[in-house]
Amino acid sequence: EIVMTQSPATLSVSPGERATLSCRASQSVSSNLAWYQQKPGQAPRLLIYGASTRATGIPARFSGSGSGTEFTLTISSLQSEDFAVYYCQQYNNWSRTFGQGTKLEIK
Amino acid sequence: EVQLVESGGGLVQPGRSLRLSCAASGFTFDDYAMHWVRQAPGKGLEWVSGISWNSGSTGYADSVKGRFTISRDNAKNSLYLQMNSLRAEDTALYYCAKGEVSQHWGQGTLVTVSS
Repeated sequence: EIVMTQSPATLSVSPGERATLSCRASQSVSSNLAWYQQKPGQAPRLLIYGASTRATGIPARFSGSGSGTEFTLTISSLQSEDFAVYYCQQYNNWSRTFGQGTKLEIK
Repeated sequence: EVQLVESGGGLVQPGRSLRLSCAASGFTFDDYAMHWVRQAPGKGLEWVSGISWNSGSTGYADSVKGRFTISRDNAKNSLYLQMNSLRAEDTALYYCAKGEVSQHWGQGTLVTVSS
């Protein structure tokens, strides 16, 4: 089973600033990497798939990069609605795995 | 509008079984792979199981392999998860999710395993 490791566990950033979240895979997943946002009491929301393609309706301030084992989600200018928990997920094979999540909180 | 509605959760004793269902509407069900994802209270997301559009391929998390079985009925636009030999650590909100990468999720059904 591929292990996904996200860092940091918690990130404190001020509104308007940039946030950079990392995700590392224990083995190559090519570009088969997605990012999800989850707010309390809500189902996850797909942000990015294919490591760098924004899902429908996702603002351009969200961007993804990376391939193989190292991935990054960048939020260029944080809005109040962006403070949430973010998960990466690999879908390289039928045994898919999520990272443990990064909580993005207001500084 | 895509809708995914899970059902079948509840309180169950350790070692017993439960069957979850997910009713899908608003899209061509048999065009898509489907997945079950769970979230224990206050914890992160855990992928549980997935099934291809025609049931030809399935996958399971190591934590449920041999105990859970995923299936689908394309004629009924429904996804299922048969959960056997339930353990306390299976307590979670279980979501069904559509597609290889899941743009659409249900609201979840809560499974509580406790004596």
